[in-house]
Amino acid sequence: ETGVTQSPTHLIKTRGQQVTLRCSSQSGHNTVSWYQQALGQGPQFIFQYYREEENGRGNFPPRFSGLQFPNYSSELNVNALELDDSALYLCASTPGHLSTDTQYFGPGTRLTVL
Amino acid sequence: KQEVTQIPAALSVPEGENLVLNCSFTDSAIYNLQWFRQDPGKGLTSLLLIQSSQREQTSGRLNASLDKSSGRSTLYIAASQPGDSATYLCAVGDSGGYQKVTFGIGTKLQVIP
Repeated sequence: ETGVTQSPTHLIKTRGQQVTLRCSSQSGHNTVSWYQQALGQGPQFIFQYYREEENGRGNFPPRFSGLQFPNYSSELNVNALELDDSALYLCASTPGHLSTDTQYFGPGTRLTVL
Repeated sequence: KQEVTQIPAALSVPEGENLVLNCSFTDSAIYNLQWFRQDPGKGLTSLLLIQSSQREQTSGRLNASLDKSSGRSTLYIAASQPGDSATYLCAVGDSGGYQKVTFGIGTKLQVIP
C-alpha cells in the first residue's frame, strides 16, 4: 500500500468525449506526476505539479491538462478523446519537489475509448 | 532525448535460480535510476533507487548496480521465487531544469515452481 489512491478504477468513454481522472496523494507529498501507460509499454510522463502549479510537461498535446489542490488531491483532464488515449493512467506522488525522488504510485485508472 | 532499453523483454526461469535484468540508457547525465515492479493491470512498486553518485543499492534478495559512464544498470535477483513473477521496469531520472522520469518497456519475468 502506497497511500496513493485513484478513481475511478475503470472507465469507458467514446471518441470526442471529455474525461476527468482523480488522484489522492499521501499527506505532505507536494509533487504529483501523471503517466500514460499503453498496453505493453512503459509509462510515459505527461506532466507534474508542485504546489498547485505545473512545472514540467512531457510530449502530450494541450488537450491533456491537470489541476492540483491544496488537500493533496489532483485531477487529469483529457478533452476530445481519441482511440489512442486508451491506456492505464497512473499518478505518482513524492514528498519533495522532484519527481525523480522515490515515487509512490497509485493503482491506476484503466481508460477505454471506443 | 533520453531513451531507456531493457533486455530481455521476457524471461522464464525455474524457482531458486539467480537472475539478472539489464537496463541501458542513452544520456549519462542522469539524476538517479529506479527499478520498479508492476503486477498485471496494477500500479508500480518502487524496489530500489540509486542516486547518480552511487554504484549500487541492496534490498533483501535484490541488488541494483549503476554504471553511469557506460549507461547501464542491472537488477540482480537472488534465489528467485514464484512471487517474483511480474514486470520489472527501469526508470531514469534526468537532471535539468525539472526532473523528468523516462521508463523502459520492462522485462516480464516468470518464475516457474
